[in-house]
Amino acid sequence: DTAVSQTPKYLVTQMGNDKSIKCEQNLGHDTMYWYKQDSKKFLKIMFSYNNKELIINETVPNRFSPKSPDKAHLNLHINSLELGDSAVYFCASRKGGSPLHFGNGTRLTVT
Amino acid sequence: QKEVEQDPGPLSVPEGAIVSLNCTYSNSAFQYFMWYRQYSRKGPELLMYTYSSGNKEDGRFTAQVDKSSKYISLFIRDSQPSDSATYLCAMSLGGSGNTGKLIFGQGTTLQVKP
Repeated sequence: DTAVSQTPKYLVTQMGNDKSIKCEQNLGHDTMYWYKQDSKKFLKIMFSYNNKELIINETVPNRFSPKSPDKAHLNLHINSLELGDSAVYFCASRKGGSPLHFGNGTRLTVT
Repeated sequence: QKEVEQDPGPLSVPEGAIVSLNCTYSNSAFQYFMWYRQYSRKGPELLMYTYSSGNKEDGRFTAQVDKSSKYISLFIRDSQPSDSATYLCAMSLGGSGNTGKLIFGQGTTLQVKP
C-alpha cells in the first residue's frame, strides 16, 4: 500500500520518560512534516524536513527533536515528557507544492 | 483572534440534506485553500484543493473561495451517513511561502442521520 505510516499508533507513558515516534512514506515525496492535534482537534505544524534538511521549526519546546535519516523517513523524539504533551501527532508528506498527505496519527498519552 | 475561524458544531442533518460548512480567515496573503475530512481515529484526508478565488466541484462536493470576503465554503449535496466526520478547512501562503505550513480551522463535526 502506498501511504504515510506511523508507529506506534498508541503510546502511553509516564511523565519524565523519553519516547520516539517513527514515520515512513513510500509516495516518493520530498518533504515531510510533523503536526500536533490537541484535544479540541486543533492541528498545528511543528516541523518540516525537505530532503533531510530542516526547513520549518515552529515554536516548539526543545524537548522535541525531529530527525530525518533519509527522504522517506522522519522521526520525532521527545525528552522528559510532560502531561501537556498528550495529543495526537500526525506525520505528513508532499512532493513539490502539492497538497499534504497525512498518516493516521500516533495517539500519545502521558500519565 | 485566530487566523482561521471555523464553527466547531456539532452539525446534525438528515440523510439527503445539503450541508454547508464555512471558514473565515484574517490573513489576506493566503492563496491555497483546502478542505480535509477526518474520520474518528484517522488522519485528515484531502477532499478539495483550490488556488485563489472561485468554485471547484468534485462529485457531491463543491468548494467556494471568496478572497474579497476572506470566506471559504464547502457544500455537500445529497449527504450520506458515510459523510459523518470532522471537516477541517486549511489554508496556506502562496509563492515562496507555500512551504506546506497549513493553518487549520478547528474543524466542524458533522453527523448525517439515516
